[in-house]
Amino acid sequence: DADVTQTPRNRITKTGKRIMLECSQTKGHDRMYWYRQDPGLGLRLIYYSFDVKDINKGEISDGYSVSRQAQAKFSLSLESAIPNQTALYFCATSDPTAGAWGYGYTFGSGTRLTVV
Amino acid sequence: GDSVTQMEGPVTLSEEAFLTINCTYTATGYPSLFWYVQYPGEGLQLLLKATKADDKGSNKGFEATYRKETTSFHLEKGSVQVSDSAVYFCALNNAGNMLTFGGGTRLMVKP
Repeated sequence: DADVTQTPRNRITKTGKRIMLECSQTKGHDRMYWYRQDPGLGLRLIYYSFDVKDINKGEISDGYSVSRQAQAKFSLSLESAIPNQTALYFCATSDPTAGAWGYGYTFGSGTRLTVV
Repeated sequence: GDSVTQMEGPVTLSEEAFLTINCTYTATGYPSLFWYVQYPGEGLQLLLKATKADDKGSNKGFEATYRKETTSFHLEKGSVQVSDSAVYFCALNNAGNMLTFGGGTRLMVKP
């Protein structure tokens, strides 16, 4: 099994629908992240969580919410999907004990979301 | 705030050609620098890293040197292969364990 698993891998949804993207990890890392990837814009941080009781907004949190159900699970929700949320979404974990400054990031394979 | 700028792609090369992908950054202090690679249909994987000025990161024939004087971390490979076709991301981490990514550069290597 993959260290970081994202479901679904692909999803097409209609404008206005609520959708949840799920992420689970077997790395045992406390820190988890949701990123959005758009062509030419790299990855932009949506939300991050440093432990189960800690949730923080990232660069582009508007229109999104998250839930950290357990150390291993971090879900991203779009309350009312809109077409400009069409993108590739990545979940990641990190281990701050792996070394200085961002070593030990592990990414999932991504969820491709299309809002029509 | 911190930022990373990469050359726009796609970069198209023939097999065995020399590769350079430019990356420059803006950050206060002394960030760590990274190159990540994304193969088709997969997530990002760490390719190489450097944590201080003049450090050279290397992996799988790729190299990048942390140049503080020019705030650059250019990725190079002497002889690319078709299997190197992917999207390459330059990134920095400037305290707090948070990564800032560049826009990505798609590399296409033709046989």
